[in-house]
Amino acid sequence: DQQVKQNSPSLSVQEGRISILNCDYTNSMFDYFLWYKKYPAEGPTFLISISSIKDKNEDGRFTVFLNKSAKHLSLHIVPSQPGDSAVYFCAASAPPLYIFGTGTRLKVLA
Amino acid sequence: DAGVIQSPRHEVTEMGQEVTLRCKPISGHNSLFWYRQTMMRGLELLIYFNNNVPIDDSGMPEDRFSAKMPNASFSTLKIQPSEPRDSAVYFCASSLGGGGNYGYTFGSGTRLTVV
Repeated sequence: DQQVKQNSPSLSVQEGRISILNCDYTNSMFDYFLWYKKYPAEGPTFLISISSIKDKNEDGRFTVFLNKSAKHLSLHIVPSQPGDSAVYFCAASAPPLYIFGTGTRLKVLA
Repeated sequence: DAGVIQSPRHEVTEMGQEVTLRCKPISGHNSLFWYRQTMMRGLELLIYFNNNVPIDDSGMPEDRFSAKMPNASFSTLKIQPSEPRDSAVYFCASSLGGGGNYGYTFGSGTRLTVV
């Protein structure tokens, strides 16, 4: 049973608009949540994280929101750019491991 | 720092052959992880090492898979014999400690195709 789920395998957004990627989890004991970005033929790279005691973390165009009661987090990208087209993985920290979702492929249309 | 280095980048092999994937973690990192990426299961953890010792290999799918870390700067993942369903991208990642806010550093992966 997957503890971290990304139910949307793909998402297309127009350049300049907001991209919202969603992630659900089942274990309330996770202490951090991370988002990774993966381009083709490259490994995933760390994008942004949030502590379980926070509900929002912002870094430039990227904001992650955490709703603990719903066991849900989301990544907002505003404004979306063609270079943001990639696969995005959410991950939950269960030290010393991270549990990854299946990924969402974002395509930003020019 | 050159990051996590994996070799080969691509491997095509025939069913039944032995395949060895290699990984050099970032110097100073004490944890190493092998992941497999598939469309259906995303990134799944195969095995992880801490201070060169295998800690959890519960994700290794079958006895055909084995992993070693003879020293702090080198690890291998071996599949013997390989099967077409092993075709996937295999990633190695390393970290100082694990979990928390810091994440892992991933290598570029090895794309394995078994025909």
